[in-house]
Amino acid sequence: DAKTTQPPSMDCAEGRAANLPCNHSTISGNEYVYWYRQIHSQGPQYIIHGLKNNETNEMASLIITEDRKSSTLILPHATLRDTAVYYCIVRVAGVSSGSARQLTFGSGTQLTVLP
Amino acid sequence: SQTIHQWPATLVQPVGSPLSLECTVEGTSNPNLYWYRQAAGRGLQLLFYSVGIGQISSEVPQNLSASRPQDRQFILSSKKLLLSDSGFYLCAWGFTGNTIYFGEGSWLTVV
Repeated sequence: DAKTTQPPSMDCAEGRAANLPCNHSTISGNEYVYWYRQIHSQGPQYIIHGLKNNETNEMASLIITEDRKSSTLILPHATLRDTAVYYCIVRVAGVSSGSARQLTFGSGTQLTVLP
Repeated sequence: SQTIHQWPATLVQPVGSPLSLECTVEGTSNPNLYWYRQAAGRGLQLLFYSVGIGQISSEVPQNLSASRPQDRQFILSSKKLLLSDSGFYLCAWGFTGNTIYFGEGSWLTVV
């Protein structure tokens, strides 16, 4: 699986958009970009994923660059409850012999939403 | 809908004592199951994964073992705990190539 690079920490004012960047310059054509977040002392929570098109759901939007070497997770109106560590992960899609062991988590970005 | 539960949520065990963490998934069949560990201030480390009953793959050499006695049950065990086994243990499920979902986690402190 391709490696990702994220800033270790970011701050965001409550009510403003939080834009979390991720670099994945070695991503392969069959690898998805996944985002999870982990609030302190809880299990990681799935947020969103995408392959090449931008995606949006009730939690966030995912913007993937055309060359797929980087992406941005956008929380449109950050709240205090969005304070968490956000993980960007790339993983192989589809069925393959090694794909069951997917999801390599790095250090993530600690997002702190400030009142 | 699918749910995943793991227990106990918190555990304090002396060095050399055994360990058993249990995880069950509801609302699905034949999922892949995973055990991860997260040491304080660090990312998640995959310990074991299973693609079916009795099929266990270990990712790192360690003092722990895993078993899958039933389709939706995954157990993490140790015969003798070490101080270095302390951490946050997470069970997860998913299907190959699809999203993986995590349980609430179990805090283990070995004293």
